[in-house]
Amino acid sequence: AQSVTQPDIHITVSEGASLELRCNYSYGATPYLFWYVQSPGQGLQLLLKYFSGDTLVQGIKGFEAEFKRSQSSFNLRKPSVHWSDAAEYFCAVGAGFGNEKLTFGTGTRLTIIP
Amino acid sequence: GAVVSQHPSRVICKSGTSVKIECRSLDFQATTMFWYRQFPKQSLMLMATSNEGSKATYEQGVEKDKFLINHASLTLSTLTVTSAHPEDSSFYICSALTSGAFRTQYFGPGTRLLVL
Repeated sequence: AQSVTQPDIHITVSEGASLELRCNYSYGATPYLFWYVQSPGQGLQLLLKYFSGDTLVQGIKGFEAEFKRSQSSFNLRKPSVHWSDAAEYFCAVGAGFGNEKLTFGTGTRLTIIP
Repeated sequence: GAVVSQHPSRVICKSGTSVKIECRSLDFQATTMFWYRQFPKQSLMLMATSNEGSKATYEQGVEKDKFLINHASLTLSTLTVTSAHPEDSSFYICSALTSGAFRTQYFGPGTRLLVL
């Protein structure tokens, strides 16, 4: 069975600073990986996804993530955060075609300070 | 594209009543939808997988008679919380799975249920 670890429960960064949110997964084969963002009281919005190919994935809102098989990681990055990026971020792993159930990490809450 | 809606967004009901929540994929067809429950400041817990035209598959520990799921069309799945009790109060979120080679779950905005 797959699992996801997001080591950071809460991160605070200044507006304009760079951001990296960590995600480590456990899965025996090549995983399908996703980052979702959730604003308070809202559903989840897909930021980006990795299925295969280029290990550096570009997403919406200026986010990117890099799949590193050797480290079992899929960290999310943004060069310069905006106050509107404050939200909860979830990393998720899927087993692939035919088994699309996702396993979510516990989430990282991002706070932006002026 | 890939928009999923939920209705209602918020519902308050009395203990013992049943509540139906609708999940619709607005611009794509979804043979598979998922229902999640989220407790405050926690991650999503998968409740069940809803498949169009067949019975839902429930995760371990989820009462299928308590949480009835119907996926009658390629764009609509419903979750009915039967005989709701205060402990059923939660945030319920659905997702719809796109088709094709790289299938992706797109999520609805969620439904806040409060049982008094």
